[in-house]
Amino acid sequence: QQQVKQSPQSLIVQKGGISIINCAYENTAFDYFPWYQQFPGKGPALLIAIRPDVSEKKEGRFTISFNKSAKQFSLHIMDSQPGDSATYFCAAVSDNFNKFYFGSGTKLNVKP
Amino acid sequence: NAGVTQTPKFQVLKTGQSMTLQCAQDMNHEYMSWYRQDPGMGLRLIHYSVGAGITDQGEVPNGYNVSRSTTEDFPLRLLSAAPSQTSVYFCASRQTGGREQYFGPGTRLTVT
Repeated sequence: QQQVKQSPQSLIVQKGGISIINCAYENTAFDYFPWYQQFPGKGPALLIAIRPDVSEKKEGRFTISFNKSAKQFSLHIMDSQPGDSATYFCAAVSDNFNKFYFGSGTKLNVKP
Repeated sequence: NAGVTQTPKFQVLKTGQSMTLQCAQDMNHEYMSWYRQDPGMGLRLIHYSVGAGITDQGEVPNGYNVSRSTTEDFPLRLLSAAPSQTSVYFCASRQTGGREQYFGPGTRLTVT
């Protein structure tokens, strides 16, 4: 049973548009929620992360929105660019940052 | 710094064979971990280590062994490979007290 549910599986967005990826979790013990970006043939790399005591975090064109009561969080990519085309994974972390649970991934294709 | 390195990049095994996937990091990170990545499943934690001599199980530990004799190295052993272990394997490391995991480039393993 997957601890973190991620949707959609794939996403096509026009250049300049907004990409939105959603994740949901059940375990209230999770206390850190990172997003990772992965290009083909590479390992994932941390993109942005949030703690549950904050409802929103923005870094450049990337924003995490966090709804603690609904146990949901989402990644928004503003002004999406072809270079953003990659697979994105959300994750939830517990046990003193020792256990990371990943979503199933979203393959984003930004069309020029 | 080379960061996190993994060898080999690709490997084909026959069912029942054994092998060791190598992982090394030169960042003096105490925490190291192994994940497998399968289509539609995201990354799943196999084993992790919080320091030399200390290891623990993750989500999917069956069929895999680990040991940690040095801070730098964290090998993953498959004692008797099965087709279900066909996957891409990623090693990652993290500084104690830090939140960012640094991933290696991965090893693509096929078991026939």
